[in-house]
Formats: sequence, structure tokens, C-alpha cells
Amino acid sequence: GDSVTQMEGPVTLSEEAFLTINCTYTATGYPSLFWYVQYPGEGLQLLLKATKADDKGSNKGFEATYRKETTSFHLEKGSVQVSDSAVYFCALSSTSGNTPLVFGKGTRLSVIA
Amino acid sequence: DAGVIQSPRHEVTEMGQEVTLRCKPISGHNSLFWYRQTMMRGLELLIYFNNNVPIDDSGMPEDRFSAKMPNASFSTLKIQPSEPRDSAVYFCASSRQGIASGGYTFGSGTRLTVV
Repeated sequence: GDSVTQMEGPVTLSEEAFLTINCTYTATGYPSLFWYVQYPGEGLQLLLKATKADDKGSNKGFEATYRKETTSFHLEKGSVQVSDSAVYFCALSSTSGNTPLVFGKGTRLSVIA
Repeated sequence: DAGVIQSPRHEVTEMGQEVTLRCKPISGHNSLFWYRQTMMRGLELLIYFNNNVPIDDSGMPEDRFSAKMPNASFSTLKIQPSEPRDSAVYFCASSRQGIASGGYTFGSGTRLTVV
């Protein structure tokens, strides 16, 4: 079945450092791909998405590009802030359209001043 | 738009007691999902509904768990009897564009502690 694999955390960075969180997927066809973010004490929020190959999703300085050839959707940000400390989840939407999103296990990011 | 509303935010109960968690999805959203999150197991999908009909409850851990959606604006997750291992944060999420849509909106969760 469909699956998502994220890099294990936690990831600890200094403020203004470059961030990459790796995400690869296994799916039939061409799923839609998503990044969700969970801030402390809150539910998950949609951060960005891409629905077809080579699409780039972006929001709040974060970017991710849908790479079909490497089945990847890595999350990047050029300069992280303390306020970016959160858990990040990669997810995919099956092309069948009748099953829920498949989430990765999440990657915890801590940004220190 | 008030978002997905869950109540209570925190619940502490004794083992063996019945617990009912409540969720009000966003108006117009036709799919609803119940998740459980723990440090050990991460985020688990328990059950989901489409147009108020339960579609898949295979994620419900035991018969002690049950969920209902009597109308488009309300859902409950009940645990009876509760056990300490049920302690977790329970999230409700809704989606306007169906089960496979990426536009899930999550509530703030109910933190359940069973002592």
C-alpha cells in the first residue's frame, strides 16, 4: 500500500540556519503530496501541497518540490526562526480518491536562538 | 469560521469510567476523521465518516471504543470502560472535499488522562 517515510528527528538548528526535512513516498500513480505542521499544544495545520510532478508548494518561507523521479517531497527553508519549532508531517493522497491521507511519523524541529 | 471545535480540551478520569469526546466539524465539510496521538505510536487514524456514514473503523483499537455522527455538525468518540493505556491526545479533523482531499482541518484536540 501507499506509504510515506520521513527522516527521523529530532532536528535541532540554530536560528537562521538552513532546514531540510526529507520525505519519500511509495504509491501507485501520481498522488498529491502535503506537508502539515503541528505547533505545541495544537492540531495539525496544512503548510503546503503539490498535486503533480515538478510542482513546488510554498508557504511561510517553506518550500517543497514534487519529484516523481526520486519519489520525494523534501521540505526546505532558507532561514529558520525559533517560531518554526514544531513537528512536521509529510502526507500523501492516494490517486484512488477513496482512502484517507497517509501520514509520515513526523519530524520534530527545535530551533534555538 | 470557528474551525473544528473539540470538547473538552482536557479530560482526567478514573479507570473504568466512560469518556465521551465531542467534535463539531466545519460547516459544509462532508468528511470527518478521528485520530489518536501518543509519543509511542504517533498519529493513528481511528475512524472516518463521509456524509455522516462511518466508512472505516478498522483503526479503532478495541470494542471499548465507539464513534457516532448523528448529523453533519456533530460527532462523538466514546470509550467505555476507559483504561490508562487510552491516555492520549485525540484529534478530530474535517474535510470539505472528501476523504482523499488534502484540505484536512484539525481541531485543537482533547488531552485524555486515565488514572
